[in-house]
Amino acid sequence: EAQVTQNPRYLITVTGKKLTVTCSQNMNHEYMSWYRQDPGLGLRQIYYSMNVEVTDKGDVPEGYKVSRKEKRNFPLILESPSPNQTSLYFCASSQGLAGVWTGELFFGEGSRLTVL
Amino acid sequence: QQQVKQSPQSLIVQKGGISIINCAYENTAFDYFPWYQQFPGKGPALLIAIRPDVSEKKEGRFTISFNKSAKQFSLHIMDSQPGDSATYFCAASNRDDKIIFGKGTRLHILP
Repeated sequence: EAQVTQNPRYLITVTGKKLTVTCSQNMNHEYMSWYRQDPGLGLRQIYYSMNVEVTDKGDVPEGYKVSRKEKRNFPLILESPSPNQTSLYFCASSQGLAGVWTGELFFGEGSRLTVL
Repeated sequence: QQQVKQSPQSLIVQKGGISIINCAYENTAFDYFPWYQQFPGKGPALLIAIRPDVSEKKEGRFTISFNKSAKQFSLHIMDSQPGDSATYFCAASNRDDKIIFGKGTRLHILP
């Protein structure tokens, strides 16, 4: 089954304790991206990656890091989480510019993070 | 110039009625306009999408109307059902894979 898998789905942590949210897709997609969803603010892009070893900042990158060492994985790293990073996070992928471009994004089920 | 403005923020419609959500964009380079549907506890999923070379696209009870000159597009849900209750996001993108989302509309269909 084609899917984007995120882990953990729920996490409560404390300020300053480094954490990583993993994301993996099994569709051989080139493009992957991280979003955060907050009430009234919609989906805001954190980082995206057009292909392996290529990453770029989205609209709200401060406080986050990413890496793209393999095509299927795109982890989101919070080096020193703060309470304003409490949010619902989504990883997404699409085929990108390879082949016939459709632009469709496939989302994971989300990771709800609380930073105390 | 990169914004997509979506309205209303929330919408309540009687069962069987028509739900209408509107979006406006500024960047004329956008060439793909999808709508995503999100149920509670789930990630958004593509519902329907349109390219600017057509003015309307219909899939079942869901229709996108597109007005290129006004830089506006809208989602119409005909014969709205309680199962349509969800959050809807419009978006706009172009081939560099920059996808801009609206802020979402929370739709509630009364039984």
